[in-house]
Amino acid sequence: KAGVTQTPRYLIKTRGQQVTLSCSPISGHRSVSWYQQTPGQGLQFLFEYFSETQRNKGNFPGRFSGRQFSNSRSEMNVSTLELGDSALYLCASSLEEGARKLFFGSGTQLSVL
Amino acid sequence: DAKTTQPPSMDCAEGRAANLPCNHSTISGNEYVYWYRQIHSQGPQYIIHGLKNNETNEMASLIITEDRKSSTLILPHATLRDTAVYYCIVRVAYGGNKLVFGAGTILRVKS
Repeated sequence: KAGVTQTPRYLIKTRGQQVTLSCSPISGHRSVSWYQQTPGQGLQFLFEYFSETQRNKGNFPGRFSGRQFSNSRSEMNVSTLELGDSALYLCASSLEEGARKLFFGSGTQLSVL
Repeated sequence: DAKTTQPPSMDCAEGRAANLPCNHSTISGNEYVYWYRQIHSQGPQYIIHGLKNNETNEMASLIITEDRKSSTLILPHATLRDTAVYYCIVRVAYGGNKLVFGAGTILRVKS
């Protein structure tokens, strides 16, 4: 069974641009959540989607948004990029909401110049 | 979710047991203890979780004290590949998939 797939693996953008990251969950998993990891703040929860609906949101500005499609694949978008948005963005999937076990992808490393 | 406290780093000799402590003194009755680890350049990996009884799986054992205020993750025979950051997380079951990560413990397994 394929794991959680995140694309692209690496991305370089400049300030002010926008970016879209993609996450394909494990087959059969219906819940997808996103995390941001930086050296200073560590791993922080961004948002969670289940059945195409956002279920939970972390404390991030509105520039960070996401969505989930009917096949459970998810995308997150960051508009008007800032230098501080440079981070590893991780996606996790699970069978359902409140699942005991989350499966993480390897992440997308975003660098904002 | 309750706050957890872990030592910032630990060393362990290869082949020996690694015992990683976690303090969660404000844990509520309906909160589980979860352990994840993150090997460099990879996403976190689930290890084990428990409520109040000790748990064991193919990766590790979890010992939770009777008052549930602390726990210990045990890797019985640590290998170099177990070098990672280990996160102890407390969360309510079935409360969504939001995990609150602390700084974790950097475990270095040395030959």
